[in-house]
Amino acid sequence: GAVVSQHPSWVICKSGTSVKIECRSLDFQATTMFWYRQFPKQSLMLMATSNEGSKATYEQGVEKDKFLINHASLTLSTLTVTSAHPEDSSFYICSAKGLAGVNVKNIQYFGAGTRLSVL
Amino acid sequence: AQSVSQHNHHVILSEAASLELGCNYSYGGTVNLFWYVQYPGQHLQLLLKYFSGDPLVKGIKGFEAEFIKSKFSFNLRKPSVQWSDTAEYFCAVNFYNNNDMRFGAGTRLTVKP
Repeated sequence: GAVVSQHPSWVICKSGTSVKIECRSLDFQATTMFWYRQFPKQSLMLMATSNEGSKATYEQGVEKDKFLINHASLTLSTLTVTSAHPEDSSFYICSAKGLAGVNVKNIQYFGAGTRLSVL
Repeated sequence: AQSVSQHNHHVILSEAASLELGCNYSYGGTVNLFWYVQYPGQHLQLLLKYFSGDPLVKGIKGFEAEFIKSKFSFNLRKPSVQWSDTAEYFCAVNFYNNNDMRFGAGTRLTVKP
């Protein structure tokens, strides 16, 4: 089946530093990748959608300059949390939607998530 | 506005009880419908999906869901739950005029042994 790998699974950083999270589709090409944020005991909130080779589309209220998204290839997207602050502490989840060739191309496959703790 | 609603925030059942979790969406057009499960400490896993055809969809682990278009609903059911079904369940909808998927708030299911 389609596998999405997310790295790191947990990161602790000091306030003011930047953190990069990687999302890779391991056995399929992802035309579109999505980044979600999940607060404790809450649902997934879409942050942005990125298509390979183009700029990401951010949801209302998500700061583009704070959450930098790069989707340089069909198998890799990165989310960089710049100048992280404690309020950015959360669970970040990526997902990828594949081209034809994956079982059903309209399905989003999810990574395991990254827990970010900003001290 | 397009939205997904899950009315049950937390459901507590005893083993062998029957389960039904509600999911409604607001959109008059074509949709793809999904149920995901998130076990404690794990990532989202797809339980089942509906794209077209038979509105009664069977998924993994004995779960099923029924799409009722007139009610804009896609409720999840299981005849007899097990302790291992304790998890968070998310309904998700892909609206055809959007590329992304919208999630409901989730329902926490606790099954008592």
